[in-house]
Amino acid sequence: GAVVSQHPSRVICKSGTSVKIECRSLDFQATTMFWYRQFPKKSLMLMATSNEGSKATYEQGVEKDKFLINHASLTLSTLTVTSAHPEDSSFYICSAEAASGVADTQYFGPGTRLTVL
Amino acid sequence: DQQVKQNSPSLSVQEGRISILNCDYTNSMFDYFLWYKKYPAEGPTFLISISSIKDKNEDGRFTVFLNKSAKHLSLHIVPSQPGDSAVYFCAASSVDKLIFGTGTRLQVFP
Repeated sequence: GAVVSQHPSRVICKSGTSVKIECRSLDFQATTMFWYRQFPKKSLMLMATSNEGSKATYEQGVEKDKFLINHASLTLSTLTVTSAHPEDSSFYICSAEAASGVADTQYFGPGTRLTVL
Repeated sequence: DQQVKQNSPSLSVQEGRISILNCDYTNSMFDYFLWYKKYPAEGPTFLISISSIKDKNEDGRFTVFLNKSAKHLSLHIVPSQPGDSAVYFCAASSVDKLIFGTGTRLQVFP
């Protein structure tokens, strides 16, 4: 089955530093990747939709200058949390939609736990 | 190795009948299970969850059952409505993981 990986799985950083999270589709090409943040009570918030070769589309309320998304290839999207603050601590999850296949079929990565001290 | 599996990619149910969506997992360390619903062009929204210490959780038309010995959970929707047509993802959680299944597309027809 389709596999999506995320790296790192866990990161701890100091306040004010930037952190990059990678999302890779390992055995398929993903034209579209999604970035989510998990909030308390387990709800997922869609942060942005990333399309290969174009600018990401951010959801309302998500600062695009703070959460930089780059979808450089059909298998890689990166999320960079710039000038991280403790309130950015969360669980970040990506998902990828296959270039060919059933629409709305998404494959989720295992998530990245970010802790900002 | 898929730790969370939804073996039925699609399910078609008549309005008013029961929809049963199934999910299997392999890791006995998972202690919390969730179901998400996703409409086209939207992100998944949380539907219902269950802790591993319970075997059933009910919320209106939605009931989740957990069978730990079989490492199986299911989502029951009764009665099914056309607005329930969506893709349903189950997810399993432990301390630092949230692993999703690949989804089941539910179609409720009149």
